[in-house]
Amino acid sequence: DAMVIQNPRYQVTQFGKPVTLSCSQTLNHNVMYWYQQKSSQAPKLLFHYYDKDFNNEADTPDNFQSRRPNTSFCFLDIRSPGLGDAAMYLCATSREGGAAKNIQYFGAGTRLSVL
Amino acid sequence: DQQVKQNSPSLSVQEGRISILNCDYTNSMFDYFLWYKKYPAEGPTFLISISSIKDKNEDGRFTVFLNKSAKHLSLHIVPSQPGDSAVYFCAASQGGGATNKLIFGTGTLLAVQP
Repeated sequence: DAMVIQNPRYQVTQFGKPVTLSCSQTLNHNVMYWYQQKSSQAPKLLFHYYDKDFNNEADTPDNFQSRRPNTSFCFLDIRSPGLGDAAMYLCATSREGGAAKNIQYFGAGTRLSVL
Repeated sequence: DQQVKQNSPSLSVQEGRISILNCDYTNSMFDYFLWYKKYPAEGPTFLISISSIKDKNEDGRFTVFLNKSAKHLSLHIVPSQPGDSAVYFCAASQGGGATNKLIFGTGTLLAVQP
């Protein structure tokens, strides 16, 4: 089945120690998104890629970076995690254009803990 | 400032009855609305959507209603089944480009009691 896969499902890191979360997709979608979701809050978009074009949200801290080496993979790098970065990180994909661009397909998420 | 609001954190319904989940939005420029369903330990999955040019969309047991004047949408599930127990997120988007940004609500936990 075509899907969006996030690894690892759970990640524990130390305060200030860089961490990378990964996302892969077999849907061959042009667009990939990263969301942060804290407990009892709405998922919040951090940034997205349209092909190789990176689109950062205005309020995403510089501490968060992303890479998309090819269509299938996208990485979220947190350069110096703080306690406030502990959250669920969701990756999603979508097609481009038309009504299809509105429908995003999500991975199961990576829960990040910062000690 | 939250542009999409789900004011009921939880809802409990008896099996076979109707579940009604509500969502309010503030941005009149939103032109597409979606409902996502999320089980524990899984990512959100797309359930049903509606364009702002419509006021109703139906898919099997699921119907979404849009009231643009009130900036309100609702999801009706009839009849409700225990397998419908999940967190339901409302989301809205504003078109115009090749890609779209979804603004999510905080979710409503639906519990369908057997």
